[in-house]
Amino acid sequence: RKEVEQDPGPFNVPEGATVAFNCTYSNSASQSFFWYRQDCRKEPKLLMSVYSSGNEDGRFTAQLNRASQYISLLIRDSKLSDSATYLCVVKPYNNDMRFGAGTRLTVKP
Amino acid sequence: DGGITQSPKYLFRKEGQNVTLSCEQNLNHDAMYWYRQDPGQGLRLIYYSQIVNDFQKGDIAEGYSVSREKKESFPLTVTSAQKNPTAFYLCASSMGTLGSNEQYFGPGTRLTVT
Repeated sequence: RKEVEQDPGPFNVPEGATVAFNCTYSNSASQSFFWYRQDCRKEPKLLMSVYSSGNEDGRFTAQLNRASQYISLLIRDSKLSDSATYLCVVKPYNNDMRFGAGTRLTVKP
Repeated sequence: DGGITQSPKYLFRKEGQNVTLSCEQNLNHDAMYWYRQDPGQGLRLIYYSQIVNDFQKGDIAEGYSVSREKKESFPLTVTSAQKNPTAFYLCASSMGTLGSNEQYFGPGTRLTVT
């Protein structure tokens, strides 16, 4: 079983739609959680950290469910510029980050 | 303007040759990392360094070597012993390796070995 699993997609949605991605992780000792965004042939960029109580940044909402070992990312009012691959990342306190393979999103006009 | 730079952006080599990828950061970060990314896979850790003159193997260190002589610099050498060197190589840095320190990435180097 992979340490971090994501549905690879692609998710194809119209502009203005709401879309949600889930990610499951296997290491129950994971303590930090992140979503990164990666554009085609570019480096990953930090989108947001995920906090235990859930957190929101504009149109983006991240949730953590420790009991079920998954995190989610919700994007509201999708824009064309949201088209990218979204990487789920988990990290135990003193260990390396573990990256999911990513979920690809395409927002269409 | 703080950030991480990697050079070159594209690199082509013949099989059997060693090649060194550059990574420099001016973020004053203690920790630096090297990953490779292959299509359809998550980033895999090659090596990381928590402080100058110290580094540890990641999950796929075989066929690679690194050095950390300066805080700002963490070059990666892809040796001829690496069986499948063609990949997208990403360097990252963070304040430290403990806790929730986010990693920030350089623009990457695409290495093609033929």
